[in-house]
Amino acid sequence: DTTVKQNPRYKLARVGKPVNLICSQTMNHDTMYWYQKKPNQAPKLLLFYYDKILNREADTFEKFQSSRPNNSFCSLYIGSAGLEYSAMYLCASSRLGGRYAEQFFGPGTRLTVL
Amino acid sequence: GNSVTQMQGQVTLSEEEFLFINCTYSTTGYPTLFWYVQYPGEGPQLLLKVTTANNKGSSRGFEATYDKGTTSFHLQKASVQESDSAVYYCVLGGANSGTYQRFGTGTKLQVVP
Repeated sequence: DTTVKQNPRYKLARVGKPVNLICSQTMNHDTMYWYQKKPNQAPKLLLFYYDKILNREADTFEKFQSSRPNNSFCSLYIGSAGLEYSAMYLCASSRLGGRYAEQFFGPGTRLTVL
Repeated sequence: GNSVTQMQGQVTLSEEEFLFINCTYSTTGYPTLFWYVQYPGEGPQLLLKVTTANNKGSSRGFEATYDKGTTSFHLQKASVQESDSAVYYCVLGGANSGTYQRFGTGTKLQVVP
């Protein structure tokens, strides 16, 4: 099974409220990623876990948090949502991280902040 | 820094026409290059991958040649079908250790019967 699952598929949030998105995979992949996708823009890597080590991109360091309680699950947390967070959030996983690895993506969570 | 450019935002073709999607990249060294395809309602999935300059990758009738001279990795298919309608992403895996994959903005292909 090469499925990456994401919950929920759609999320409506109010400005200033927290948002928590969930991702799971059963492929025993050691690396899990979160991307943000806005219309007419490239998917942007926000952060990734290699095993238990979290790596966050410099320009999104303070905007997003994440946890990985076990190998299969990874969450993306926004402490206080702003309008600019409205986007599609894609979770992916790979066996080994880095530039060579094939990534397996979930279907995404569409977040709308009002 | 590393960057990927896809100039075509959308391409519309009739069935059995030839497909060409342009991709150029900027980096140092010999990166790994990918094409991912995203069908409606799904996440992106790997279409093909090439790791060595001047090599060609192919999958499901699609081909892409890694050309370090022109820093290009264009995607081609001789005869498209309606089922090929999707968004195609050119992706650069940096040549240096510690770098991760950078996506292009994507090209939406619509194939009409």
